[in-house]
Amino acid sequence: GDSVTQMEGPVTLSEEAFLTINCTYTATGYPSLFWYVQYPGEGLQLLLKATKADDKGSNKGFEATYRKETTSFHLEKGSVQVSDSAVYFCALSTNAGKSTFGDGTTLTVKP
Amino acid sequence: DAGVIQSPRHEVTEMGQEVTLRCKPISGHNSLFWYRQTMMRGLELLIYFNNNVPIDDSGMPEDRFSAKMPNASFSTLKIQPSEPRDSAVYFCASSFGTSAETQYFGPGTRLLVL
Repeated sequence: GDSVTQMEGPVTLSEEAFLTINCTYTATGYPSLFWYVQYPGEGLQLLLKATKADDKGSNKGFEATYRKETTSFHLEKGSVQVSDSAVYFCALSTNAGKSTFGDGTTLTVKP
Repeated sequence: DAGVIQSPRHEVTEMGQEVTLRCKPISGHNSLFWYRQTMMRGLELLIYFNNNVPIDDSGMPEDRFSAKMPNASFSTLKIQPSEPRDSAVYFCASSFGTSAETQYFGPGTRLLVL
């Protein structure tokens, strides 16, 4: 079945550091790939997405590229801020109705 | 614009009681999802509706759980009887189109079963 494996946390960085959260997936067919972010006490919200190979999703300084050859969708940001502290989820969805989420990676950014 | 609305936001109940969680999706969305989030198991998809029809309920834990979507603007998730291991945050999400589209999550219902 489909699966998403993302980098285990927690991750702690200093402000302005470079961020990478790894995500790899297995899926039948051609899934859409997503990064969602969850702030304390809230539901998940979309951060960025990519729907086909080599697409790059970007938002708020975050980027991720859909790499079919390595089945990866790593999340990156060049300079993190304290306000980026949250839990980040990598996910895939298919037209067949299946959504699969990774376990989440907790990011803490210290001033 | 109103997002996905869930009620109640918090629920505390005793083991054996019936619990009903409610969700109003974003107007115009035709797919609806129920998720459960716990520290131990992470985020689990329980059931997915498309055009009010259940498409995939393979994630529903057992017969104590049931979900309905009587119309495009309302869904319920019912647990009867509830057990302490059902304690979790339950999220409803909706999307326009298939499940491959962006999902918009509600704020969640935090359920505690004593």
